[in-house]
Amino acid sequence: DVKVTQSSRYLVKRTGEKVFLECVQDMDHENMFWYRQDPGLGLRLIYFSYDVKMKEKGDIPEGYSVSREKKERFSLILESASTNQTSMYLCASSLKVPYEQYFGPGTRLTVT
Amino acid sequence: DQQVKQNSPSLSVQEGRISILNCDYTNSMFDYFLWYKKYPAEGPTFLISISSIKDKNEDGRFTVFLNKSAKHLSLHIVPSQPGDSAVYFCAAKRQGAQKLVFGQGTRLTINP
Repeated sequence: DVKVTQSSRYLVKRTGEKVFLECVQDMDHENMFWYRQDPGLGLRLIYFSYDVKMKEKGDIPEGYSVSREKKERFSLILESASTNQTSMYLCASSLKVPYEQYFGPGTRLTVT
Repeated sequence: DQQVKQNSPSLSVQEGRISILNCDYTNSMFDYFLWYKKYPAEGPTFLISISSIKDKNEDGRFTVFLNKSAKHLSLHIVPSQPGDSAVYFCAAKRQGAQKLVFGQGTRLTINP
């Protein structure tokens, strides 16, 4: 079974703090993705990576950056957290083919 | 620009009856479609998919129908069970791309 783990289930940070969200997958998947889920908006793609050290912006990259130094690990960084970044953050991974993505349990981030 | 739309935020169905979840899309370049199921405090799990060269795919109680001329996708669950109560997301992949575009989700409640 594919396993995608995320470093924290719940996180509370203050405005202006730098925040790191970590994601690890154990199935040697090439692709990794970061989404945020907000009520009524579904899952929106922040960034994705199709190989080590490669990254592409998703639909809402502003205020975020990512790092992929190893194939199994994909980090999401909030350089200076703001209250509008309070959300559920979901990491996913997939092979290039087929296209099914496997998700981690999510991190509920609250920025106060 | 919402390319994948789930116009019903919620749906309530009696146990044992058929649940039909709908999804519309606007991009004719989408060539692969997926349905995901999400329980609270968990990441989405892959349910079923369909390629644009097919119009139906079945897996146990779940059937996905694709009407390309109408740009419409539906998920049928027969018979509905209490454990099917969850949020369902449809997603689509553009030809040549690796990333998915998700709809807003529909909350399905199965009543005993």
